[in-house]
Amino acid sequence: DAGVTQSPTHLIKTRGQQVTLRCSPKSGHDTVSWYQQALGQGPQFIFQYYEEEERQRGNFPDRFSGHQFPNYSSELNVNALLLGDSALYLCASSLTEQETQYFGPGTRLLVL
Amino acid sequence: SQQGEEDPQALSIQEGENATMNCSYKTSINNLQWYRQNSGRGLVHLILIRSNEREKHSGRLRVTLDTSKKSSSLLITASRAADTASYFCATDLGNYGQNFVFGPGTRLSVLP
Repeated sequence: DAGVTQSPTHLIKTRGQQVTLRCSPKSGHDTVSWYQQALGQGPQFIFQYYEEEERQRGNFPDRFSGHQFPNYSSELNVNALLLGDSALYLCASSLTEQETQYFGPGTRLLVL
Repeated sequence: SQQGEEDPQALSIQEGENATMNCSYKTSINNLQWYRQNSGRGLVHLILIRSNEREKHSGRLRVTLDTSKKSSSLLITASRAADTASYFCATDLGNYGQNFVFGPGTRLSVLP
């Protein structure tokens, strides 16, 4: 039973570019959440997707957008990248009625 | 300021000793969860304690929750070098599904 997978593992972009990160949830899970983790900090909630819709959103600008597909996989898109967007981006999946989130290994994004 | 804050920020102990980490939060919660993260990789779920529970055990882990003081503690007994990691508490505000707020974490070093 595969856990949460994310791709790519590492990514280097330049300021102003756009990036797409991908996440496949744990088998059977229907809810996907995205987090940004800066170096030395705890993860910060970006948004959560359920039934292909954004259900909750954290305090992140509209440059951060996402999508959930019918197979429950998800994408995180970031436009007009800033140096401050450099971070580890974590995807977590869960079942709606359950409280525990299962995290993927993350995508480390470096913006130069 | 953050909803959850772990204390201490860093902790260094010898193998075999016990490690205690504390978490304080500000608002009412649905549950509180502890996660471990090794070297900036994905988070691993350790234990969940609900707001109506006071103490839970899982192997060498013991978690307490004091809702009147809005605080929780994680005790790792008989620590091992493999316990070296960052530990985060995450408060679930329970708003329309999971809504996790992570603290900045405690970095635990267990020396052989």
